[in-house]
Amino acid sequence: AQSVTQPDIHITVSEGASLELRCNYSYGATPYLFWYVQSPGQGLQLLLKYFSGDTLVQGIKGFEAEFKRSQSSFNLRKPSVHWSDAAEYFCAVGARGSNYKLTFGKGTLLTVNP
Amino acid sequence: NAGVTQTPKFQVLKTGQSMTLQCAQDMNHNSMYWYRQDPGMGLRLIYYSASEGTTDKGEVPNGYNVSRLNKREFSLRLESAAPSQTSVYFCASSEGIAYFGPGTRLTVT
Repeated sequence: AQSVTQPDIHITVSEGASLELRCNYSYGATPYLFWYVQSPGQGLQLLLKYFSGDTLVQGIKGFEAEFKRSQSSFNLRKPSVHWSDAAEYFCAVGARGSNYKLTFGKGTLLTVNP
Repeated sequence: NAGVTQTPKFQVLKTGQSMTLQCAQDMNHNSMYWYRQDPGMGLRLIYYSASEGTTDKGEVPNGYNVSRLNKREFSLRLESAAPSQTSVYFCASSEGIAYFGPGTRLTVT
């Protein structure tokens, strides 16, 4: 069965500082991997995805993530955080095949200090 | 092109009442899903439908039923609501990348 662990429940950074959100997954084969962002009271927006190929993937809003098979990780990074990045971030692993169902981590809440 | 739409946006039920949450997508996706989101728990899969005419249980199916009415529509029914079903419910559709609806906030008193 697939699973996702986001070790950090809550992270606080200062505006302009760099950011790394951790994600570890468990899956029997090469997974599909995703990061979604959720602002308060809103739905989920896709930030970036990994299906295959280059292990460093670029997403929207200046985010990137690196797939490391040896560490079963897919950490999200941003070099300089903006106040508008404050939100909850979810890592998810997707099943290959016909159903594409996602398993989510419990999320990391990001607070940005001015 | 509306993507994934859900109705209603908000609902308050009394224990024992029933209701159906509606979901529709206009992206011609085969796969559709219902998730619930609770604080500190992330999103948990209730039911999914890999194609029209098929449905399967997810991680937390108890107390729910679903219907894949056609390729566009996937409804979630609570036959006898319980306070433990107070949650935010998200519908999604996918052909590899999942797109989510805006959610339904359900409170059961």
